[in-house]
Amino acid sequence: GQQLNQSPQSMFIQEGEDVSMNCTSSSIFNTWLWYKQDPGEGPVLLIALYKAGELTSNGRLTAQFGITRKDSFLNISASIPSDVGIYFCAGHRRGGTSYGKLTFGQGTILTVHP
Amino acid sequence: DAGVIQSPRHEVTEMGQEVTLRCKPISGHDYLFWYRQTMMRGLELLIYFNNNVPIDDSGMPEDRFSAKMPNASFSTLKIQPSEPRDSAVYFCASSFRGQGNSPLHFGNGTRLTVT
Repeated sequence: GQQLNQSPQSMFIQEGEDVSMNCTSSSIFNTWLWYKQDPGEGPVLLIALYKAGELTSNGRLTAQFGITRKDSFLNISASIPSDVGIYFCAGHRRGGTSYGKLTFGQGTILTVHP
Repeated sequence: DAGVIQSPRHEVTEMGQEVTLRCKPISGHDYLFWYRQTMMRGLELLIYFNNNVPIDDSGMPEDRFSAKMPNASFSTLKIQPSEPRDSAVYFCASSFRGQGNSPLHFGNGTRLTVT
């Protein structure tokens, strides 16, 4: 099946540092999404990207949809302790049997030291 | 607005027992998804419904797993008989007009432990 390679697997940073993570795929996606999961909860959508090349910000978060439609990155600026959690990328392809299904990356575990 | 509601939050059962997980999607959403999350395999899509009809169940691991959606506000995922390897967090999620067009909203999951 489709695979999303998300990196890094984990990050340990100091409060105030910037964070960058990315996802790559061998297949083209029509939509890229970034989710955050806090302990004991379900993933929550952070940013959705619908066009190749699109750059979108949500507060301290910035994400981009790669031009090739096979990759995306998420940046977090000036990290704070509540940024701790697992970040997932997800891709969606329209059409055929893929419609309606998301493929998730393996997740990036972020730890922020005060 | 109430989000996706799952019950129970935690379930501990013995191998061989039947387990039923429940989900109430967000009102008005027409897609419902069941995911399983483990450390080894991450988030896996098991099955999804559109307008209460199962669309793709290719992720259901085996015949011991079944899912139903009798109406727009309720779905169940059943495992019979359960096995230790079924231990995982099971998430239900819903969206409107497919995941590409609207955000996927997740419930808080059911943590299943099979001993």
